[in-house]
Amino acid sequence: GAVVSQHPSRVICKSGTSVKIECRSLDFQATTMFWYRQFPKQSLMLMATSNEGSKATYEQGVEKDKFLINHASLTLSTLTVTSAHPEDSSFYICSASLGTELYEQYFGPGTRLTVT
Amino acid sequence: GQNIDQPTEMTATEGAIVQINCTYQTSGFNGLFWYQQHAGEAPTFLSYNVLDGLEEKGRFSSFLSRSKGYSYLLLKELQMKDSASYLCAVMDSNYQLIWGAGTKLIIKP
Repeated sequence: GAVVSQHPSRVICKSGTSVKIECRSLDFQATTMFWYRQFPKQSLMLMATSNEGSKATYEQGVEKDKFLINHASLTLSTLTVTSAHPEDSSFYICSASLGTELYEQYFGPGTRLTVT
Repeated sequence: GQNIDQPTEMTATEGAIVQINCTYQTSGFNGLFWYQQHAGEAPTFLSYNVLDGLEEKGRFSSFLSRSKGYSYLLLKELQMKDSASYLCAVMDSNYQLIWGAGTKLIIKP
């Protein structure tokens, strides 16, 4: 099946610094990648949708200048949390779509971000 | 507004059967998904229903009634490893996934 990886799996950073999270589709080309955030005991919250070679579409309430998304190739998307603050601590999950069937979304293993 | 409702938590016994319900109100409908999520891990796809009826896949089955805005996930022959959260999600008319908060399933021996 389709495999999506994320790196790093866990990261701890100091307040005010920036953190980059990578999402890769390992054995398929992902036309669309999605970035989610999940707080403890809550559901997934879609942050943005990115298509290769174009600007990401951010959900309402998500600051595009704070959460920079780059989808430079069909197998790689990155999320950079700039000037991180403790309230940004969360579980960040990416998913990738094959694009052939709209429901084929495959999730990465997630990245646990802790901002101290 | 758009809304997905599912129970917060359920408890069942190993070897038994459990049914997790999900009701939804969304702007349009392009399918309903069930995902399994173990603590600290990303969700994994379980099932997809777009037409009314029951879809069976091994120990797991998923049912959909579009007229009632209702679905359930049925888990048979429960195993301890089935302890997880089960997320119901609906794809709306804009092909956006609307997520429920998840049902935490606790399996007891």
